Amino acid sequence: KQEVTQIPAALSVPEGENLVLNCSFTDSAIYNLQWFRQDPGKGLTSLLLIQSSQREQTSGRLNASLDKSSGRSTLYIAASQPGDSATYLCAVYNNNDMRFGAGTRLTVKP
Amino acid sequence: NAGVTQTPKFQVLKTGQSMTLQCAQDMNHEYMSWYRQDPGMGLRLIHYSVGAGITDQGEVPNGYNVSRSTTEDFPLRLLSAAPSQTSVYFCASSYSRSGSYEQYFGPGTRLTVT
Repeated sequence: KQEVTQIPAALSVPEGENLVLNCSFTDSAIYNLQWFRQDPGKGLTSLLLIQSSQREQTSGRLNASLDKSSGRSTLYIAASQPGDSATYLCAVYNNNDMRFGAGTRLTVKP
Repeated sequence: NAGVTQTPKFQVLKTGQSMTLQCAQDMNHEYMSWYRQDPGMGLRLIHYSVGAGITDQGEVPNGYNVSRSTTEDFPLRLLSAAPSQTSVYFCASSYSRSGSYEQYFGPGTRLTVT
């Protein structure tokens, strides 16, 4: 059974800092890995999708990497801003089934 | 495009009542799914559909039914609500089941069962 873990559960950083969020999964047989952002009381917004054949994806200040063999992904956020404060979720998809981590709650202090 | 829409936004039920959570998408997506989100547990898959007329169970299907009579709509039915079904419910859709496309989520329905 696929299990997805995100560490840390919560993170607080000062504005401007670069930071890394971690995601690990137990079964490397995945089709893709997706990072989402969730604001309090809201739905999920897709940030980056990495196919199983890819090693990384970039969008603006965000860079996500994928190492299938070790079951790890990282989300790198450059020059963090208070508007980046949210919960970040990673999810792995395989055979019609998407499994989520519990998320990392990020707070960026002005 | 409106994307993925869900109604209602909030609902309070008494134990034993039944209700239907509505989900619709206007992107002609083949794959649709329902998740529940509970504190500290992430999202868990309830049911999914890979096309009109085709549905299957996810990780936590007990107490829920689904049907997919059209490409656009994927309602979730609670047969006899229980307090353990208090949760936030999200509907999602994707262009295909292949995993090559990202999933889009609706805004959620917050359900409380007393």
